[in-house]
Amino acid sequence: QQQVKQSPQSLIVQKGGISIINCAYENTAFDYFPWYQQFPGKGPALLIAIRPDVSEKKEGRFTISFNKSAKQFSLHIMDSQPGDSATYFCAASMSNQGGKLIFGQGTELSVKP
Amino acid sequence: KAGVTQTPRYLIKTRGQQVTLSCSPISGHRSVSWYQQTPGQGLQFLFEYFSETQRNKGNFPGRFSGRQFSNSRSEMNVSTLELGDSALYLCASRWTMNTEAFFGQGTRLTVV
Repeated sequence: QQQVKQSPQSLIVQKGGISIINCAYENTAFDYFPWYQQFPGKGPALLIAIRPDVSEKKEGRFTISFNKSAKQFSLHIMDSQPGDSATYFCAASMSNQGGKLIFGQGTELSVKP
Repeated sequence: KAGVTQTPRYLIKTRGQQVTLSCSPISGHRSVSWYQQTPGQGLQFLFEYFSETQRNKGNFPGRFSGRQFSNSRSEMNVSTLELGDSALYLCASRWTMNTEAFFGQGTRLTVV
């Protein structure tokens, strides 16, 4: 019940294309869903986050879509660029557990020029 | 504004030894969490400290411990190191417990 399942494990997209990464969860007590981007040798960097009271949040080329009834959320990267090549992690947490983030397994994105 | 600082960046230790890792959070942040990242298990929560008190703990053996000081800096300690403890250890800081988490670059621990 504490798991967050992420897919696909790896993704290859052409420059200018749309990258889509999906996550699913079981525990309906989760109320905060961030996405992190990690480059080799670096720590994860917060990209964008959403709470269950909204169905979509957009920041620049990055959009989170959230489907509360399906217990799924996804990250869309529009106009993908080679510089977006990194590993992306979805995560979830509950307010009553403070800062404990449950992470998905990660998606390795490669954007080809 | 300086980010989260973790020291050292790299460590090589021998099985059976102990190790202490340090984390300085973003100025003004009072919550510090620790995570272990491995290729097999991904990112796993170790524990969280807020105002010098452990607020939450993950499913790791008692060999893993931590503490937080009055200036919010945190240390984690791993005793009796095992080969499987080789990992990237990440620290994340928050202003308070339910706000955005910002990660440091991590400490790469190799146990030989």
